[in-house]
Amino acid sequence: DAGVIQSPRHEVTEMGQEVTLRCKPISGHDYLFWYRQTMMRGLELLIYFNNNVPIDDSGMPEDRFSAKMPNASFSTLKIQPSEPRDSAVYFCASSFLLASYQFFGPGTRLTVL
Amino acid sequence: ELKVEQNPLFLSMQEGKNYTIYCNYSTTSDRLYWYRQDPGKSLESLFVLLSNGAVKQEGRLMASLDTKARLSTLHITAAVHDLSATYFCAVDQTGANNLFFGTGTRLTVIP
Repeated sequence: DAGVIQSPRHEVTEMGQEVTLRCKPISGHDYLFWYRQTMMRGLELLIYFNNNVPIDDSGMPEDRFSAKMPNASFSTLKIQPSEPRDSAVYFCASSFLLASYQFFGPGTRLTVL
Repeated sequence: ELKVEQNPLFLSMQEGKNYTIYCNYSTTSDRLYWYRQDPGKSLESLFVLLSNGAVKQEGRLMASLDTKARLSTLHITAAVHDLSATYFCAVDQTGANNLFFGTGTRLTVIP
């Protein structure tokens, strides 16, 4: 398996633009997580899915953020409109069980100008 | 909300020396994880500890868990330069569906 795949790896956009981040979890993993990492706030869990269903989105900072998982092999995190303070590295991770290791993707480095 | 504290935040140590990183958490937890992150890279899972007294070892790293003290340690034995990275602990709060990460410990091993 190729591991968790994220795209794009880098994204530079202007304030106000829509940004869509993509994630393909490891096949067979039932859980998918979206994290954000910044110097100031460290690693924060934004949302996670179980069997494509959002379970906990309490970490989603604002209504500008939304996440979907239309099938077991694909998830998106969308920011609309984007703001400079959204600049961060966004990680997607997946796991077989909630209690097992989470395998992290390479991350998407987002810069909002 | 569960709080996870690591110390030290920064650690510079010489090759060949031993040291311990501490992870304290504020409420009961079912599971504790240790991750490693190299600069500009993603997180790599190191250990998951599931019960009181659990000890796991991989190479020069050994992790342990004391659920009564709400403390986990990551012990480094005879450090080598390749261990330089940021180490995170993460705690899964009992009954909750969230994973809380510590602030990380940035380890630099000096030749």
